[in-house]
Amino acid sequence: GDSVTQMEGPVTLSEEAFLTINCTYTATGYPSLFWYVQYPGEGLQLLLKATKADDKGSNKGFEATYRKETTSFHLEKGSVQVSDSAVYFCALSAISGAGSYQLTFGKGTKLSVIP
Amino acid sequence: SAVISQKPSRDICQRGTSLTIQCQVDSQVTMMFWYRQQPGQSLTLIATANQGSEATYESGFVIDKFPISRPNLTFSTLTVSNMSPEDSSIYLCSVELAGGRDTQYFGPGTRLTVL
Repeated sequence: GDSVTQMEGPVTLSEEAFLTINCTYTATGYPSLFWYVQYPGEGLQLLLKATKADDKGSNKGFEATYRKETTSFHLEKGSVQVSDSAVYFCALSAISGAGSYQLTFGKGTKLSVIP
Repeated sequence: SAVISQKPSRDICQRGTSLTIQCQVDSQVTMMFWYRQQPGQSLTLIATANQGSEATYESGFVIDKFPISRPNLTFSTLTVSNMSPEDSSIYLCSVELAGGRDTQYFGPGTRLTVL
């Protein structure tokens, strides 16, 4: 079945450091790929998405490129802020046997940014 | 996107009781989903809430334990029945917008603690 593997956390960075959170996937067909963010005590927010190979999703300074050849969708940000402290989930969406799109999530990576 | 609200935002319940969680969306949506996020874990899909018919449950989840209603295109409820401490989790609803194909938007979640 489909699966998503993302780098284990927690990750602790100083403010203005460069961020990479690795994500690889296994899927049949051509899934859409997503990054969701969960701030402390809140639900999930869609951060960015990409729907086909070589697409780059970007939002709030974060970006990720859909790499079909390496089945990866790594999240990057050039300069993190304390307010970026959250848990980040990589996910893929593919059609289920019932004909609806279903999300498969990675385990999440907790990021802490210190001043 | 859509504005999604959940009630209650949190609750503390006694073992053996039941809790009904409501999910309200500010626009008509095609698909609604219910997820469980156990402490420190990723999200697991419980079921797809179908409007006008029974929900479609994922492996490991049954209707007797998690009855779901979806009376219209903007509202759904999830009941956690006969609760035990193992049911302590965050429960999230999500929606797929008309024309949104494969992108889901999440509510803020309901944090449930069972004593």
